[in-house]
Amino acid sequence: QVTLGESGPALVKPTQTLTLTCTFSGFSLTTSGMSVSWFRQPPGKALEWLARIDWDDDKYYTTSLRTRLTISKDTSNNQVVLSMTNMDPVDTATYYCARMQRGTSGSYFNFDYWGQGTLVTVSS
Amino acid sequence: QAVVTQEPSLTVSPGGTVTLTCAASTGAVTSGHYPNWFQQKPGQAPRPLIYSTNNKHSWTPARFSGSLLGGKAALTLSGVQPEDEAEYYCLLYYGGYWVFGGGTKLTVL
Repeated sequence: QVTLGESGPALVKPTQTLTLTCTFSGFSLTTSGMSVSWFRQPPGKALEWLARIDWDDDKYYTTSLRTRLTISKDTSNNQVVLSMTNMDPVDTATYYCARMQRGTSGSYFNFDYWGQGTLVTVSS
Repeated sequence: QAVVTQEPSLTVSPGGTVTLTCAASTGAVTSGHYPNWFQQKPGQAPRPLIYSTNNKHSWTPARFSGSLLGGKAALTLSGVQPEDEAEYYCLLYYGGYWVFGGGTKLTVL
């Protein structure tokens, strides 16, 4: 059974760094084709993809936030960590992590399991 | 960065058929964009429905189908049920990064 869960502070102050952890079970991030992505959704707004880390430690970031984001993995503890620097009230959102499977030779990309999300509010 | 556009809202009658589309500012959507579709209800996490254009998850009801239509990705619901009222998001791949559409609010009325 695949599960993912997000954890981190519910409230951060402007200019602080946000660190979120995605703890997962039921799969290994050492398996070829496996990835974990982070997303966010401001209240009442659309989803936004933020970052992805692959089984081989390749990392990808959304262009608009590239300078503020860092994604890393701890395969022994089945965790993926996302850090976002210089937080601003506009970063208030529910943050989700999800598993992505890539088919051989890129035959498919499948976001199949998601966490329930964690709401992060940025306020002084 | 690419912009992905969906219909902001659509209304369908129970039992009817509706098609939601997903267009890319960069040109025609192709299978190489690996379109994914998600359903989201208020207060819930996104629920995956379709991946890589037309592949269903084991939990995806048979009335949902994905395709490419007129240069866009499309999600068709046939025999709409009241529980299908939700926000629907498409997600497209751009060689390393992903871009969501703005979502379609589907009302079943």
